[in-house]
Amino acid sequence: GQSLEQPSEVTAVEGAIVQINCTYQTSGFYGLSWYQQHDGGAPTFLSYNALDGLEETGRFSSFLSRSDSYGYLLLQELQMKDSASYFCAVRDRGNQGGKLIFGQGTELSVKP
Amino acid sequence: EPEVTQTPSHQVTQMGQEVILRCVPISNHLYFYWYRQILGQKVEFLVSFYNNEISEKSEIFDDQFSVERPDGSNFTLKIRSTKLEDSAMYFCAGSSGPNYGYTFGSGTRLTVV
Repeated sequence: GQSLEQPSEVTAVEGAIVQINCTYQTSGFYGLSWYQQHDGGAPTFLSYNALDGLEETGRFSSFLSRSDSYGYLLLQELQMKDSASYFCAVRDRGNQGGKLIFGQGTELSVKP
Repeated sequence: EPEVTQTPSHQVTQMGQEVILRCVPISNHLYFYWYRQILGQKVEFLVSFYNNEISEKSEIFDDQFSVERPDGSNFTLKIRSTKLEDSAMYFCAGSSGPNYGYTFGSGTRLTVV
């Protein structure tokens, strides 16, 4: 089967750092992505890791270890507006646009 | 910034009726997708569309579902005979290629009564 595991919810305070982990087991792997979703709205692309290592985009960083089938999203200097659901997603193949397989999502609550 | 536009934003329909959900993708995208999200659950793949034909479909995408790109720009998802369990948020998405993120539309909330 194909599955992605991530924590269902995480709580942190404003200004803190939070890490959301994701482990995956899929038949194909062409990169791990992270998406943010506010209140059931459009998922918004945050980051993409095709190779091992850390990718940094402003306050957000994403890490991938393909040998461990593991990645994480790191959010720094948390702001109230970061309260949202965060989904990890695996692209299952590289040609013809391969579909994204999503995890169940992690609901992040940022407290004052 | 270019957007993926979906209409309608909310559709209520009676069980057994046909619905058509519409999407206007970003013009330079090559790959198109429909996903759905039942309230409180994960985003699920329905179908992918490339080079004017279906490239892959999920188990959810049965004979009741169809996709078209009737005029080379708009992209539609049709559900022929809706069921209660089709109630969900339906997202259209597009991508420029395998190494790029997807851009999702704001979704159509389908309620089947």
